[in-house]
Amino acid sequence: QKEVEQDPGPLSVPEGAIVSLNCTYSNSAFQYFMWYRQYSRKGPELLMYTYSSGNKEDGRFTAQVDKSSKYISLFIRDSQPSDSATYLCAMKTEYKLSFGAGTTVTVRA
Amino acid sequence: NAGVTQTPKFQVLKTGQSMTLQCAQDMNHEYMSWYRQDPGMGLRLIHYSVGAGITDQGEVPNGYNVSRSTTEDFPLRLLSAAPSQTSVYFCATGREPNSPLHFGNGTRLTVT
Repeated sequence: QKEVEQDPGPLSVPEGAIVSLNCTYSNSAFQYFMWYRQYSRKGPELLMYTYSSGNKEDGRFTAQVDKSSKYISLFIRDSQPSDSATYLCAMKTEYKLSFGAGTTVTVRA
Repeated sequence: NAGVTQTPKFQVLKTGQSMTLQCAQDMNHEYMSWYRQDPGMGLRLIHYSVGAGITDQGEVPNGYNVSRSTTEDFPLRLLSAAPSQTSVYFCATGREPNSPLHFGNGTRLTVT
């Protein structure tokens, strides 16, 4: 069983919809939780970074962490075609990151 | 300010050949790492370094060597390429081990 599970999708939504992405994990030692966005043929770029349970907002993006359920989510409000990308969840303990496999999202104009 | 620079962008090797993937950063980050990305597998850590002269193995180190003689550079060596090493390789750096990572744009390697 993988330490981090992420639904690979793909997910296709109309412009303006709310995108909901989720990951579950099994390792209780994870302390830091991240979401990365990866455009085609590019490296991942950090979107959100948090280390506590609860919600964190940044513009149209909200990251949610529930440590008791070992579950994290990313919500994208008012989605735009430019949000079309692969979204990777990641969790960290000590020196190493563990990534989900990524969910590919397409926002249709 | 280039960030994280990876070269080459693309490479095709024959089985048994060796090569070095280059990674250079200009952010004075102490932490550098190499990941490979395969469909359905996500990103997997190959090797990492917490400073010049210090390296350690990640999740999938077999078939790869690294060294860190300077803060700026962290090359990844494939000793004898195998088709199983066909992948996209990313170098990622951080100010310190627990800082968020900055990724390069990858090297796409095909081993035939």
